Amino acid sequence: QKEVEQNSGPLSVPEGAIASLNCTYSDRGSQSFFWYRQYSGKSPELIMSIYSNGDKEDGRFTAQLNKASQYVSLLIRDSQPSDSATYLCAVKLRYSTLTFGKGTMLLVSP
Amino acid sequence: DAGVIQSPRHEVTEMGQEVTLRCKPISGHDYLFWYRQTMMRGLELLIYFNNNVPIDDSGMPEDRFSAKMPNASFSTLKIQPSEPRDSAVYFCASSSTGTSAYNEQFFGPGTRLTVL
Repeated sequence: QKEVEQNSGPLSVPEGAIASLNCTYSDRGSQSFFWYRQYSGKSPELIMSIYSNGDKEDGRFTAQLNKASQYVSLLIRDSQPSDSATYLCAVKLRYSTLTFGKGTMLLVSP
Repeated sequence: DAGVIQSPRHEVTEMGQEVTLRCKPISGHDYLFWYRQTMMRGLELLIYFNNNVPIDDSGMPEDRFSAKMPNASFSTLKIQPSEPRDSAVYFCASSSTGTSAYNEQFFGPGTRLTVL
């Protein structure tokens, strides 16, 4: 059974700090990994995707993947109150659908 | 470009009634997904289509749920009869194999269903 695990949080960080969100997955065949952001009452929005081991940076966001440890993380630098949302980790096998974690709620205080 | 469109945005109905949710995917996308989200279970895949053909409906909770995709621009998810435990937010998402081999999914705004 494919599983994606995330700490439900909330993760509270002060404005300007680095927020670190973590995700583990059970299926070693997983090949692509996504982070979605979901504001309260809104739909999930894709913010990062990563396919190979290492880091991928996009603005204030950095996704990190370690396939050996079955671990993917999202770092948000210079956190802003507008980053307060639930972050969903999703993983995908080569020809299958996405499996989502239940998400981590992030709260950034001014 | 218009994103994924869903209707209605909110639906309140009584137990036993039929509910139909509608979705228009992004033009040109060949995959369409129906999800259900609750606090307890998170985001669950119900069914997905490829080129209008249902591929995997193993996530459909029971026979009360059915989904169709009569053409590339329209899909429905029907619940008959509805029950209070069906209350959730239902999302439709679409993706295209033409954008990447890994099918990044784009979500619609969702339909919040309340069954009394």
